[in-house]
Amino acid sequence: DQQVKQNSPSLSVQEGRISILNCDYTNSMFDYFLWYKKYPAEGPTFLISISSIKDKNEDGRFTVFLNKSAKHLSLHIVPSQPGDSAVYFCAASRAYSGAGSYQLTFGKGTKLSVIP
Amino acid sequence: NAGVTQTPKFQVLKTGQSMTLQCAQDMNHNSMYWYRQDPGMGLRLIYYSASEGTTDKGEVPNGYNVSRLNKREFSLRLESAAPSQTSVYFCASSVGFGGGQPFNNEQFFGPGTRLTVL
Repeated sequence: DQQVKQNSPSLSVQEGRISILNCDYTNSMFDYFLWYKKYPAEGPTFLISISSIKDKNEDGRFTVFLNKSAKHLSLHIVPSQPGDSAVYFCAASRAYSGAGSYQLTFGKGTKLSVIP
Repeated sequence: NAGVTQTPKFQVLKTGQSMTLQCAQDMNHNSMYWYRQDPGMGLRLIYYSASEGTTDKGEVPNGYNVSRLNKREFSLRLESAAPSQTSVYFCASSVGFGGGQPFNNEQFFGPGTRLTVL
């Protein structure tokens, strides 16, 4: 039973355009969400996070949107650059629940290719 | 400031052999984690240590043991390796609770250990 789903295994975008990566979750107890970026043969790198008290969080070219009623979040990258080509993982946790706070549940990832 | 370091980077074992994966962080984080990543899968939590002196099971703990040696170091041991444990293993750390600040679970990852069990 996959609690965090990234339904698009891959995405190709032209350089300079917007990349939109999507993530759905089924566990209504999740209230903290993170996006990670991973290059081959490296560990994941934290990108941006959002708590359930917000519906948007921005950091430079990266914006995460959260729709709690739809249990859906998305990561927007504008403008996309070739260096953004990587696998992006969505992760979720229960931020205010003691032991559950520590456990991140990851999606399977979306491979983004930004074409020059 | 090296962040999270892991040793070894690569390892090949035969079925039944044992080994310990080492992890250290220099960010003064309270919490540390071990994950495994299999092809086409997200990362799955094996064990975590919320703070020095505590360890807890994650999603896939069977076949593994851990030791939180001190605040900096968290090791993962495979007592009798099996082919199903062939994977890439990542260690991570986070601030967690502490210092009167809100809980922070932004996890910082090491470069990974690629383990093959024959």
